[in-house]
Amino acid sequence: GENVEQHPSTLSVQEGDSAVIKCTYSDSASNYFPWYKQELGKRPQLIIDIRSNVGEKKDQRIAVTLNKTAKHFSLHITETQPEDSAVYFCAASGAPTGTYKYIFGTGTRLKVLA
Amino acid sequence: GAGVSQSPSNKVTEKGKDVELRCDPISGHTALYWYRQSLGQGLEFLIYFQGNSAPDKSGLPSDRFSAERTGGSVSTLTIQRTQQEDSAVYLCASSWRAAANYGYTFGSGTRLTVV
Repeated sequence: GENVEQHPSTLSVQEGDSAVIKCTYSDSASNYFPWYKQELGKRPQLIIDIRSNVGEKKDQRIAVTLNKTAKHFSLHITETQPEDSAVYFCAASGAPTGTYKYIFGTGTRLKVLA
Repeated sequence: GAGVSQSPSNKVTEKGKDVELRCDPISGHTALYWYRQSLGQGLEFLIYFQGNSAPDKSGLPSDRFSAERTGGSVSTLTIQRTQQEDSAVYLCASSWRAAANYGYTFGSGTRLTVV
């Protein structure tokens, strides 16, 4: 089955710097890759997603890139702010076997230092 | 409703007891998912429902776990003979349909503590 690896597990950056979180997936048939942000004690919330027919997508300070050949995708946060501090999860989905469940990475705890 | 509702928000139970966790998805969402999040860990898939199709139960960790979805709406996750390792936050999510590119909306979860 699908396996998603996520790195790093923790990441500390200075406010204003950029943060990059990387994920790799195992099933080349996966075609949808969402990213979720989970603040302490709260529910995960979708922040950005990318489909396999697109190489990059941006939304203000957040961008996601996808390399289908290498089977990896990354989240980029620019000009980080303290409110970006949270746990971020990547996921992969869409294998043609009909399993539409998301397989999540193990999460990255991002700390933005003021 | 406006969002995915889960109840109870917290549940403390004694080892060996059965528990039921409830999820009320967003109105009109045909797909419903259950995940488990252990302390400091990722999101572990348990089960998902899509309309009247047979559920995908491939993530249920043992036969002590079961789930139902009545009338295509509310779902109940039941854990029988609870064990301490069942302690976790149980998250429910729904989406408009079970397809690869429809994002989930998560509920706030039920924090289960088995003592």
